[in-house]
Amino acid sequence: DAGVTQSPTHLIKTRGQHVTLRCSPISGHKSVSWYQQVLGQGPQFIFQYYEKEERGRGNFPDRFSARQFPNYSSELNVNALLLGDSALYLCASSPGQSVDYGYTFGSGTRLTVV
Amino acid sequence: AQTVTQSQPEMSVQEAETVTLSCTYDTSESDYYLFWYKQPPSRQMILVIRQEAYKQQNATENRFSVNFQKAAKSFSLKISDSQLGDAAMYFCAYRSFGSGYALNFGKGTSLLVTP
Repeated sequence: DAGVTQSPTHLIKTRGQHVTLRCSPISGHKSVSWYQQVLGQGPQFIFQYYEKEERGRGNFPDRFSARQFPNYSSELNVNALLLGDSALYLCASSPGQSVDYGYTFGSGTRLTVV
Repeated sequence: AQTVTQSQPEMSVQEAETVTLSCTYDTSESDYYLFWYKQPPSRQMILVIRQEAYKQQNATENRFSVNFQKAAKSFSLKISDSQLGDAAMYFCAYRSFGSGYALNFGKGTSLLVTP
């Protein structure tokens, strides 16, 4: 069975540009969450989507947005990129809304803003 | 907001030995979940072990066990018979029971395993 897949694995963007990151959850998982992991830090929660609706949002500016599609895949969009947006972006899926049994994480997208 | 503190940026252990990674957290809640995740160089976060706060019995998964001290708000991870494949970043995480579904992570502990 395929795990959580994220694309692209790496990308480099220029300040002010826009970026879209993609995530495909494990088959049968209806919840997708996004985390930002800055170098040397633990992941920080950005969004959770369940059944195509936003169910949770972390302390991130409105430049960050996301959506979930009918097939439960998800996109994370970041507008007006700043140098500080450089990080590893992790996607995680779970069968239901609760994460009591832990997420399954993808390997992340490494975003570098120059 | 709940905070999770991992006071050991780096730890080292010899193969076959035992090592304990520390984690403390700050919360006013009585029900919650605690997790340990492993992040190897492949970057994928892997769940190692989980603990429900209402359970007094410490969780165990093969060579991995926790020492959960609810009153002290401490949640340490013990790795027995350490293997080279255990080398990774280890993150402690907290999940509120009642509100929201986000995990709050600590800053992590880098574990080095030497032959």
